[in-house]
Formats: sequence, C-alpha cells, structure tokens
Amino acid sequence: GAGVSQSPSNKVTEKGKDVELRCDPISGHTALYWYRQSLGQGLEFLIYFQGNSAPDKSGLPSDRFSAERTGGSVSTLTIQRTQQEDSAVYLCASSLNRAPVETQYFGPGTRLLVL
Amino acid sequence: ILNVEQSPQSLHVQEGDSTNFTCSFPSSNFYALHWYRWETAKSPEALFVMTLTGDEKKKGQISATLNTKEGYSYLYIKGSQPEDSATYLCALGGSGYSTLTFGKGTMLLVSP
Repeated sequence: GAGVSQSPSNKVTEKGKDVELRCDPISGHTALYWYRQSLGQGLEFLIYFQGNSAPDKSGLPSDRFSAERTGGSVSTLTIQRTQQEDSAVYLCASSLNRAPVETQYFGPGTRLLVL
Repeated sequence: ILNVEQSPQSLHVQEGDSTNFTCSFPSSNFYALHWYRWETAKSPEALFVMTLTGDEKKKGQISATLNTKEGYSYLYIKGSQPEDSATYLCALGGSGYSTLTFGKGTMLLVSP
C-alpha cells in the first residue's frame, strides 16, 4: 500500500523567504508527527497531530514555524522568514494512533537548504 | 526531557563481521523501545518494537534485546553485508509523552 509521502523532496530558498512543506500520511492513520534532523544532530520532534488537532507543539523552535492538518489527512509545515539555521531534513511520520508502542512510518523527508 | 544515548556514534566494519550497538535510556516511565534503520536518501524503516524486559526480536541477521530495569537495548548484526550500511536509530516511547524520543543514531559502514 501507499506509504507516507512528502513534497518537495528538496527545497533551496533564500533567507527571509517563506516555505511550505507537505506531508501525506498513510490513509487511516490518526496520528501525524513532524521531525527535523539538522547536520550532526538527532531527530528533533517538532509537532504532533491527533486528527486535525495539535495537542503538542512544544518542539516548534520559534513562532516562525507553524503547521496545520486538514481532513485528518494532509499536513503542511510552514516556515516563515527562513533563516540559515532552518536548513535541515524535515521528516513526517504517521501512526495508527499515538500509543508509544505504535510504529511510526516515515516519509522520505524534505531536504531544506536556506542560503 | 528524556535522554536517549546511542553508542558508538559510528562504526566501520568489513563484510562478514558481526557487530552490535547500544541504546541507553531512562528506565522510569518506560513503555516501548523502537529500532529503526535509516539508509541515505530513504525513509527511516522500522525494525523492531519491544516492550518487555528480556524481549528478543529477530529479523534476518539482525536481532535486538531489551533490559528495561537497567535501561538498555542492544542491536546485533550477524555477518554484516554492505547493504546493512545505514544509520540505526533507537527511540523511546514513554508513558505520558506525545511521541518517541530518538537517539542520535549509530552510523554503520560495511565495506566489501
């Protein structure tokens, strides 16, 4: 079956521009997660959705970052006024529900480079 | 904030060598321990999820063990192949936490 998909695969942008990253989770998965991996760092949690609600936004690094999820499916992560430190691989994952034992299925990521 | 540590940070072995990595985590509020394999330019792929101390999981030549009392898990690869080259991530699922907490990973390179 179809896995998690993300677009674009790669994005190069200039400092100060806004970017939108898209995630299509596995159909029927109620939980959706955004992570990022900066160079030399581990996977950093950004935000989690249960349905269309985001009970935990604690990982968003600044108010330039926002995310939404519509129809319990597609999610968009928006970064406003991008900075060079935003350069990273942004990964989306989904799971059937948010129980700690549930496997999270990852997309291939969006590689963002801010010049 | 949960602290999940993985060692070594990187490992370079020859084809046919067996190897193992360690994942250490706080044992309080433990619920589940996940292992993922992340090959370059691909999606992280789930290997195992373990919940009980003494659990041992096996997938082909890869196996994992869990000790929740002392807070560690080992991942073993028997007879490494070049296609096993990847970053191996462990992630802790804790009771009361929204999501998994990942370690920084062990990067494995297997040379032919």
